[in-house]
Amino acid sequence: ETGVTQSPTHLIKTRGQQVTLRCSSQSGHNTVSWYQQALGQGPQFIFQYYREEENGRGNFPPRFSGLQFPNYSSELNVNALELDDSALYLCASSSGLAGGETQYFGPGTRLLVL
Amino acid sequence: EDQVTQSPEALRLQEGESSSLNCSYTVSGLRGLFWYRQDPGKGPEFLFTLYSAGEEKEKERLKATLTKKESFLHITAPKPEDSATYLCAVPFVAAGNKLTFGGGTRVLVKP
Repeated sequence: ETGVTQSPTHLIKTRGQQVTLRCSSQSGHNTVSWYQQALGQGPQFIFQYYREEENGRGNFPPRFSGLQFPNYSSELNVNALELDDSALYLCASSSGLAGGETQYFGPGTRLLVL
Repeated sequence: EDQVTQSPEALRLQEGESSSLNCSYTVSGLRGLFWYRQDPGKGPEFLFTLYSAGEEKEKERLKATLTKKESFLHITAPKPEDSATYLCAVPFVAAGNKLTFGGGTRVLVKP
């Protein structure tokens, strides 16, 4: 069974640029959630996708957007990068929306904005 | 508003010195409480899910317990390889299955 994978592992961008992060969900999972984790803090929910539709969004501006594909993989896009966007971006996959399903995390993408 | 608070923020232990981490929560209609372990620069690794007060789960030197207002992660006779940040989280069902995380407890076990 393949776990959650993310690419790239590290990324350096400059302020104002755009970035796309990718996530492949664990086999059999149809739900993908994205989190931002600043250094020394717990992960913060960005948004969640279920069967290609957005299902819930955290307190992040519209320049954070996403997609989920028919194979349940997902992308996170961030436009007009700001210095505060520097963080570890985590993708988690799970199965269903009943609530209480375990979310399994990928290794993360470390983004540095200069 | 759903909130999750972890204490202490950091814990330094000698190898073999048992201790407990606390996770307190305020959420309406708990649908599970999750514990994760996170090594520096890596994604959280799933440890346990607890669903109801009184439930306990164990894995090697770790034991998680749950009451109506808090959860404890007990580390028995820790080893240096138990050094990590331990995160607890609860799902916020009103926003899908969003997980609300505590700030984590950084555990350092010295030989």
